[in-house]
Amino acid sequence: AQTVTQSQPEMSVQEAETVTLSCTYDTSESNYYLFWYKQPPSRQMILVIRQEAYKQQNATENRFSVNFQKAAKSFSLKISDSQLGDTAMYFCAFSIQGAQKLVFGQGTRLTINP
Amino acid sequence: GAVVSQHPSWVICKSGTSVKIECRSLDFQATTMFWYRQFPKQSLMLMATSNEGSKATYEQGVEKDKFLINHASLTLSTLTVTSAHPEDSSFYICSARLAAQNTQYFGPGTRLTVL
Repeated sequence: AQTVTQSQPEMSVQEAETVTLSCTYDTSESNYYLFWYKQPPSRQMILVIRQEAYKQQNATENRFSVNFQKAAKSFSLKISDSQLGDTAMYFCAFSIQGAQKLVFGQGTRLTINP
Repeated sequence: GAVVSQHPSWVICKSGTSVKIECRSLDFQATTMFWYRQFPKQSLMLMATSNEGSKATYEQGVEKDKFLINHASLTLSTLTVTSAHPEDSSFYICSARLAAQNTQYFGPGTRLTVL
């Protein structure tokens, strides 16, 4: 069975700092996709970034980047120059190519302090 | 792009009544949509996978006769909570899968309160 583990239930940093959220996963598959979603207080789930497992290059979206370590089954999210609007619950998720379900981690509650 | 709407955003109903929630992909077609339930401070729990033109696939422990799903078009899936009871009160979220990206995009959610 596939599992996703987020070991940091809560994190808090000051505005403008850089923060890294951890995520590990377990699968025997070789082709899959990894995602980070954020859920702000509005509870709307928003896609932050996605990574195809076959790509060695780490995905980047503006201030958001990932460190994808396939052998270690690790997929961390780095937020640079953090902003107050980054305050949210962040979920790491995973899906196998060909399957359609997402497997979610338990989430990390990130608070950006002014 | 990849916008998903959900309606209503919140609903209050009496125990024993049925409630329908709509999920629409606004700018893409989705043969597959998903329905989740989220309890406070918890992750999303997949209830069922909605497939256009065919029966939904329910996760273990989800009562298909209670949570009716219809996916009649490539842009619309509906979840009907039948004979709702207070324990059905929750936050329900839908998503639509953009196949070209193998990515799910989520609706804004519906808060259901059953009195």
